[in-house]
Amino acid sequence: DAKTTQPPSMDCAEGRAANLPCNHSTISGNEYVYWYRQIHSQGPQYIIHGLKNNETNEMASLIITEDRKSSTLILPHATLRDTAVYYCIVRLYNFNKFYFGSGTKLNVKP
Amino acid sequence: EPEVTQTPSHQVTQMGQEVILRCVPISNHLYFYWYRQILGQKVEFLVSFYNNEISEKSEIFDDQFSVERPDGSNFTLKIRSTKLEDSAMYFCASSLGSDGNQPQHFGDGTRLSIL
Repeated sequence: DAKTTQPPSMDCAEGRAANLPCNHSTISGNEYVYWYRQIHSQGPQYIIHGLKNNETNEMASLIITEDRKSSTLILPHATLRDTAVYYCIVRLYNFNKFYFGSGTKLNVKP
Repeated sequence: EPEVTQTPSHQVTQMGQEVILRCVPISNHLYFYWYRQILGQKVEFLVSFYNNEISEKSEIFDDQFSVERPDGSNFTLKIRSTKLEDSAMYFCASSLGSDGNQPQHFGDGTRLSIL
């Protein structure tokens, strides 16, 4: 799997958009970009994934650059409950395991 | 929304004892996984399971570990003779398929404490 680089921590004001960056400059053409989060010691929670196109669901939006070397997870209106560690993972098409890095600790502040 | 459930939420066991961690994957999912997270460390892949066989395992998953799908709904992880270093959160996950376009959905874990 391609290596990802994320900032170790970020702050965001409650109600504002949280934009979490991820670099994956060695990504190959058939690797998907996945985002998970882990709130306290709970299990990783799936957020969103994409291959080339931008994606949106009820939780978040995923913006992937045209060269696919980086992506941004957007939480449009962050709440205190969004405080968590966010993991950006790139996953080979035929690999059925995830490698979790250290992620970004997002602190949403009132 | 369907979810992966794990029991117990916390298991305390004496070193050297056997322990079985239980998981009920999402009902129409076909692929099952175990991961673990030692306190303060990263989430690590242990094993994947499909069609009643292990499809992949990590170097952590040695002969002390085994997995089983004893019936149509449960998926278990057994540690035969526990060691202190087995203390961790153990997460079960399941997915509909194994290709890159299929997310894995995780349970909330079992905290295993070895005394």
